[in-house]
Amino acid sequence: GAVVSQHPSWVICKSGTSVKIECRSLDFQATTMFWYRQFPKQSLMLMATSNEGSKATYEQGVEKDKFLINHASLTLSTLTVTSAHPEDSSFYICSASLVGSSGELFFGEGSRLTVL
Amino acid sequence: DAKTTQPPSMDCAEGRAANLPCNHSTISGNEYVYWYRQIHSQGPQYIIHGLKNNETNEMASLIITEDRKSSTLILPHATLRDTAVYYCIVRVPNSGYSTLTFGKGTMLLVSP
Repeated sequence: GAVVSQHPSWVICKSGTSVKIECRSLDFQATTMFWYRQFPKQSLMLMATSNEGSKATYEQGVEKDKFLINHASLTLSTLTVTSAHPEDSSFYICSASLVGSSGELFFGEGSRLTVL
Repeated sequence: DAKTTQPPSMDCAEGRAANLPCNHSTISGNEYVYWYRQIHSQGPQYIIHGLKNNETNEMASLIITEDRKSSTLILPHATLRDTAVYYCIVRVPNSGYSTLTFGKGTMLLVSP
């Protein structure tokens, strides 16, 4: 199947700093990528839909000024958590769909953010 | 997307078949059934999907009832590495809003 890679896989930062997470589709082009967040023992929650060359669409309750998403190319989307706080500590996962496929999404390995 | 109902947890002995049920009684005619699994601290992994016919691949088999109101994911010979949360999702593929909505899934524990 198609490969989606995230970097970093884990990051620890101080409160008030910003953290950038990258999501790359390694062997295919993704016009749309999705960003999820998962808190411990909970299911994945969609944060935003990232479209190449246009502004991301955010889910209700997700602050667009805090979670900056950039999708500048067909193989790269980035999520920047600005002015991170301990409550932003979570597992962030991106996914992308393969154009022309039967709709299955491929997910990155996830990035665990811990804000001290 | 139609809602699905799955048991919160299941146990299975290593080497035996694991049969994971999913109810999707409100599924519409153009919605497919997708199965994903998430091993602890990893991103979800695509397993299989189908519309109305039974499907099989190298990972699993998917059995969909004739009325399409329920389905069963079958792992024919479960191994310890199959311990994960399994998600059943129904959606229209490649629709304008193409993401997946995850429920709580079934935590499958495979024991020696």
